[in-house]
Formats: sequence, structure tokens, C-alpha cells
Amino acid sequence: AQSVSQHNHHVILSEAASLELGCNYSYGGTVNLFWYVQYPGQHLQLLLKYFSGDPLVKGIKGFEAEFIKSKFSFNLRKPSVQWSDTAEYFCAVNARSGNNRLAFGKGNQVVVIP
Amino acid sequence: GAVVSQHPSRVICKSGTSVKIECRSLDFQATTMFWYRQFPKKSLMLMATSNEGSKATYEQGVEKDKFLINHASLTLSTLTVTSAHPEDSSFYICSALAGVGETQYFGPGTRLLVL
Repeated sequence: AQSVSQHNHHVILSEAASLELGCNYSYGGTVNLFWYVQYPGQHLQLLLKYFSGDPLVKGIKGFEAEFIKSKFSFNLRKPSVQWSDTAEYFCAVNARSGNNRLAFGKGNQVVVIP
Repeated sequence: GAVVSQHPSRVICKSGTSVKIECRSLDFQATTMFWYRQFPKKSLMLMATSNEGSKATYEQGVEKDKFLINHASLTLSTLTVTSAHPEDSSFYICSALAGVGETQYFGPGTRLLVL
């Protein structure tokens, strides 16, 4: 079964600062990788995903993530955050040959101070 | 596109009663839907996979007789919490698989409080 680790559960930063959230997974086979965001009081929304091809994936709202296969990582980045990026961010993984069951990390609570 | 709704958004019930939660894919057909439970300050825990026209597949430790799942059509899955108890109070979230892209789209969740 897959498992996902996200570190630094709480992240506080100022507007215009750069953000990087780590995500590591453990699974021996080929995976699909996702980052979801949950804004306060809202439902989970897909930020970006990686299935294959260019390991640097660009998502919505200026976010990007890089898949590094050798490190089993899929870190999320944004060069300059805004107050509206305050949210909880979840990394998720499923096995490419599996039944689409997603394994989620514990999430990162990001607070951007204006 | 790829909008998923849930109803109700929140429900309060007495201990021992049953509660039904609906999950609908509004603009696409979903042969597979998933039900999750989210605890405060914790991640989503997959409860079961709901397949249209067949029995749901439950994760280890989830009681299938307690959490009844029915996926009667390509746009609707229901989760019934039977004989609810206070420990069943939680945030229940569904997702639907959109096509062959293997991307899950999530509903807004249902807050259940059992008194």
C-alpha cells in the first residue's frame, strides 16, 4: 500500500515569501501524484497532478510541483504567496495500476500573514 | 466542469438513528465514487470505494454494516450511517472519479453530529 509523508504541518509566512511544501511517498510501483488545496470552509480542490511526462508540473494559482523519482518526492512550490493562499494543502498518491484509491498525507496548514 | 455535490451539508441526529448522505456528480458520470472521513486537524481517511452497480469495497477496519453504501446510478452514491453513535460524529467527504484521467473530484463534505 502507498503511504504519504508531509512535514512541517504548520507553516506561517508573510505575503510575497516563497513557499515550498515537501511530500514524500513510499510505494514500489508507478504512481500518480496530486496536490489538493482546501481553503477555509471550502471543499478540496485539485491544484495540480502528475501522471507522466515533464516532471515539473504547473498548476493553478501559480503553483508548481516537481516529481523526483529517485527521491520519491513531489514537492509543491510557489515563488510568491498571497494572503489568499492561506489554506490546508494535501499531497496524495495512487498506484498507476491500482484501483484509483488515494492515499493522503496529513496536510500542511499554511497561514499567510498580510 | 467536474462538480460534485453532497447533501445535506450538515446534520444533527440523535444517537441510535440512521442518517443518509448523498453524493452526486453534477456534470459527469462516475462509475466510481469514494467515501472519506476527515477528523479535525487530520488527513482524509478512505472508508470505502463505491462502484456503480456492484457492492462497495470497504477499507480495513470500516464496518460495512454500519456504513451502508449504495451506488445506484452513474451520478449518485449514498452513505447511510446506521444506528449512529456520538463517535460517528465527523466530517464525511465523497469524491467521484472523472473519466479515465484518474483524477478524483471532491464534494463539499457533510458535517455529522450525533447527540
